[in-house]
Amino acid sequence: DVKVTQSSRYLVKRTGEKVFLECVQDMDHENMFWYRQDPGLGLRLIYFSYDVKMKEKGDIPEGYSVSREKKERFSLILESASTNQTSMYLCASRVTGGTEQFFGPGTRLTVL
Amino acid sequence: KQEVTQIPAALSVPEGENLVLNCSFTDSAIYNLQWFRQDPGKGLTSLLLIQSSQREQTSGRLNASLDKSSGRSTLYIAASQPGDSATYLCAVRGDGASGSRLTFGEGTQLTVNP
Repeated sequence: DVKVTQSSRYLVKRTGEKVFLECVQDMDHENMFWYRQDPGLGLRLIYFSYDVKMKEKGDIPEGYSVSREKKERFSLILESASTNQTSMYLCASRVTGGTEQFFGPGTRLTVL
Repeated sequence: KQEVTQIPAALSVPEGENLVLNCSFTDSAIYNLQWFRQDPGKGLTSLLLIQSSQREQTSGRLNASLDKSSGRSTLYIAASQPGDSATYLCAVRGDGASGSRLTFGEGTQLTVNP
């Protein structure tokens, strides 16, 4: 079974802090994705990566950056957290040419 | 730009009922459509995936259909149980240039009452 893990289930940070959200998958998938989920807005794609050191902006990249130094790990970075980044963050992965995305358990981030 | 709509937003049924969740999408140029289940505060669990060339997929009490030309999919749940209570999300994977992206609906929150 594919396993996608996220470093924290719950995280509380202060405005202005630099925040790292980590995602690791164990199935050698090339493609990895970061989404945020908000009531009334659904899931929205922030960034995705086709392979190591490659990244593409999704629909809402503003205020975020990403890092993919190793194939199994995809990090989402909030350079200076703001209260409007309080959300549920979901990571997913998929093999190139594969049909299905596999999701992690999510990180609920609160920015005070 | 692809838009995905799910109706109803919430549904409450007694245990044992058969039910249908609806998903519609605006751009029929899709690669596949995936139904997910999400429990409160948790991640997404994939239920069924239908390729654009398929009409339906079945898994246990679940059956998903796809009518690509009309931009619709339904998720049928037979003999519903309290354990089916969750939010059900529909997601469409685009074809062509947007091929890696999933576009999600906002979900249907299902409650099955004992």
